[in-house]
Amino acid sequence: QVQLVESGGGLVKPGGSLRLSCAASGFTFSDYYMSWIRQAPGEGLEWVSYISSGGSNIYYADSVKGRFTISRDNAKNSLYLQMNSLRADDTAVYYCARGLDSGYDGRLGYWGQGTLVTVSS
Amino acid sequence: EIVMTQSPATLSVSPGERATLSCRASQSVSRNLAWYQLKPGQAPRLLIYGASTRAAGLPARFSGSGSGTEFTLTINSLQSDDFAIYYCQQYNNWPPFTFGQGTKLEIK
Repeated sequence: QVQLVESGGGLVKPGGSLRLSCAASGFTFSDYYMSWIRQAPGEGLEWVSYISSGGSNIYYADSVKGRFTISRDNAKNSLYLQMNSLRADDTAVYYCARGLDSGYDGRLGYWGQGTLVTVSS
Repeated sequence: EIVMTQSPATLSVSPGERATLSCRASQSVSRNLAWYQLKPGQAPRLLIYGASTRAAGLPARFSGSGSGTEFTLTINSLQSDDFAIYYCQQYNNWPPFTFGQGTKLEIK
């Protein structure tokens, strides 16, 4: 079955960096667009970034543009989010998610359990 | 960017009764609207897509309706496991995906 497992979260100081990973299994990873979505404490869901199946199309939310970089390694069935210049308002649980179908699909049918990122001095 | 507005913010309903959650889009999203359920410590779960199509394995007491800018998620015969936070999301014009701010469904 489809599994998405995030890792790499933790406590980091403002201005610091962190790299999140999402290990995928149970499906042909290279066929699917992937997204990162986050939920700050007491807040709603916020889409952060997505990457096309081959990695050529990438989009970011305005709130993270220029600071975060999404990437993937299809040979390793892994998705990444490099987060630089972290701020307190980046504190959130970060989820990776996959569309229901391969290709360009905004229906987020599969999610990981999330990894917590805390930005605090 | 399309803004999604959910109401109410909190809904108190007794087990066995019906819950009706609303979601409004700032412009038409056709029927490209999904609903998700979030519980603490668990992966978010897709419930409804295409405004009214139930995800695989979802009980029939969950139903979605609407099109354009007005959408509704109805949960009949509420069970204890249904008390959670529910989000709507449009995927008609993306990026960005946009979510509503959520409705917390709590036990009355």
